[in-house]
Amino acid sequence: ETGVTQSPTHLIKTRGQQVTLRCSSQSGHNTVSWYQQALGQGPQFIFQYYREEENGRGNFPPRFSGLQFPNYSSELNVNALELDDSALYLCASSEGGRSYEQYFGPGTRLTVT
Amino acid sequence: QKEVEQNSGPLSVPEGAIASLNCTYSDRGSQSFFWYRQYSGKSPELIMFIYSNGDKEDGRFTAQLNKASQYVSLLIRDSQPSDSATYLCAARGKTSYDKVIFGPGTSLSVIP
Repeated sequence: ETGVTQSPTHLIKTRGQQVTLRCSSQSGHNTVSWYQQALGQGPQFIFQYYREEENGRGNFPPRFSGLQFPNYSSELNVNALELDDSALYLCASSEGGRSYEQYFGPGTRLTVT
Repeated sequence: QKEVEQNSGPLSVPEGAIASLNCTYSDRGSQSFFWYRQYSGKSPELIMFIYSNGDKEDGRFTAQLNKASQYVSLLIRDSQPSDSATYLCAARGKTSYDKVIFGPGTSLSVIP
């Protein structure tokens, strides 16, 4: 296991609701990236946080937002949920400038009905 | 649009054979390349990374990079049934702060 944890494991929400997903990075890692993985697809980059600042964003609408806290844990917030938001949400942590490797947490499976 | 492409498979190989997984990328600025293994219902697990042209070996795995051809491959020697999974290729720009772009993955099945 990588030491990256995510909560909750599974979540069912209704279209239009809001959701918050959480990620605790591996010890010593100051960078967290969030990905959305639809069934049968590769992970799609949502955004990345380095030392509490967003420093990269993929092609996702503003209703996808995030935070990183001083202990480098992170949240992903999604407002006005749509059916297409149903996916596995992954966070990955890394040492930022010192490491090429990023390590994934177990993911949160979000189902929007 | 920066893209990473892989054959979706499924790729089937007999136990003990060499499995060859291929990946191409469109962004010539990409500098670092990663192979992840993902079992069904699980999160991706880093197998190898490579950033220099040539081969990089780690146990039964060999990653190969050809930047001129924008081509990355992963060879798995002595394939085992436990290697059956989806293999994700990913590329990143010059710094570790650049976003990582993933391919769609290749499904590998190792037949006993």
